[in-house]
Amino acid sequence: DQQVKQNSPSLSVQEGRISILNCDYTNSMFDYFLWYKKYPAEGPTFLISISSIKDKNEDGRFTVFLNKSAKHLSLHIVPSQPGDSAVYFCAASRHPGEYISNFGNEKLTFGTGTRLTIIP
Amino acid sequence: GAVVSQHPSWVICKSGTSVKIECRSLDFQATTMFWYRQFPKQSLMLMATSNEGSKATYEQGVEKDKFLINHASLTLSTLTVTSAHPEDSSFYICSAANAGTSGTSYNEQFFGPGTRLTVL
Repeated sequence: DQQVKQNSPSLSVQEGRISILNCDYTNSMFDYFLWYKKYPAEGPTFLISISSIKDKNEDGRFTVFLNKSAKHLSLHIVPSQPGDSAVYFCAASRHPGEYISNFGNEKLTFGTGTRLTIIP
Repeated sequence: GAVVSQHPSWVICKSGTSVKIECRSLDFQATTMFWYRQFPKQSLMLMATSNEGSKATYEQGVEKDKFLINHASLTLSTLTVTSAHPEDSSFYICSAANAGTSGTSYNEQFFGPGTRLTVL
């Protein structure tokens, strides 16, 4: 049962254009979402995250949008650069509570990944 | 900061042998470490959650007697694949969650570079 889905296994975008990666989830208990970038034979690197109390979070060239009613989130990269070529995973988790001393202790459920290729 | 290392980075072993993989948080203390497995072109699948000083919590379908996890200190967790078989060949990745640093990014897990296991 794939609770987090990335329906596009691959995406090619011209350098300088916008890359849009999509992610859907089925578990309504998820309320925190993250995007990771991964190169072959390396561990994922955290990119950006968003809490369910927001619908948008922006960090430099990266913006994540969340549509809770549709259970959908997307990552926008603009402008796209050749170094952005990698596999991108979205991940979801549940918020452990408002006040907690240990962050990061909730398990992540990953999507299947989208391979982004930026064409020079 | 927040560097996680894994050792070895790759290992080839004969069927029936046991292989130990180490995951270390180099510059922070991790009360919780996670072990993932990734098969080619598939998502990262959580195998188990490891808490320092207590027994690991395994995901459904993961054999705890086959994948032994030890989290003896706040900076080290080990995964031992016992009596490895060719179907255990995979890319194993650990992640570590920073222990109780209030005000830091919620739910940020730092991933190791992964270990490629090939069982002949």
